[in-house]
Amino acid sequence: DTAVSQTPKYLVTQMGNDKSIKCEQNLGHDTMYWYKQDSKKFLKIMFSYNNKELIINETVPNRFSPKSPDKAHLNLHINSLELGDSAVYFCASSLEQGPTGELFFGEGSRLTVL
Amino acid sequence: QQPVQSPQAVILREGEDAVINCSSSKALYSVHWYRQKHGEAPVFLMILLKGGEQKGHEKISASFNEKKQQSSLYLTASQLSYSGTYFCGYGNAGNMLTFGGGTRLMVKP
Repeated sequence: DTAVSQTPKYLVTQMGNDKSIKCEQNLGHDTMYWYKQDSKKFLKIMFSYNNKELIINETVPNRFSPKSPDKAHLNLHINSLELGDSAVYFCASSLEQGPTGELFFGEGSRLTVL
Repeated sequence: QQPVQSPQAVILREGEDAVINCSSSKALYSVHWYRQKHGEAPVFLMILLKGGEQKGHEKISASFNEKKQQSSLYLTASQLSYSGTYFCGYGNAGNMLTFGGGTRLMVKP
């Protein structure tokens, strides 16, 4: 069983479109995250949720909207996609909230905006 | 501001040792180390906490100098499977884990 699973794994779309990436974890963790990894491999945190509540919202454009229907799911919706949104998006979860918990990452969703 | 890792890349022969360094200008609560193989997700290696507690990997060790806000990852007797990109992540009290730019490690036979 995959601990943190993301769908889709690959996404190719046109500029201006809206797309969603889904994430689910079966580890029973309370905290989930979205990270963006650009072409230079920088891993940058976007959002952090704890038990369905938004904890961290880094300087991410309003076009990105996370939604957590329950503590096992954290989805990412992106409106009006731009070329600069092309990246690999990783979902992650941790048992502990705060900087002491090991992160478990999903396999990533590679988004290409044309 | 993200932590700074050095070196950016290193090539080793199997069996050789390597040290990857990570430093921050901000006060830290914890240091995390992860390894990412090409096309895969980052995988946890180790956490070092303020006060000296460590949680992590059997074959890889690390140090955390709280005063200097620096951490080093020690890879001894490297194996082919050690190849990948190593990321340090600095945790602060605000629940944030900020990653460095990564160190690409290649181990050759």
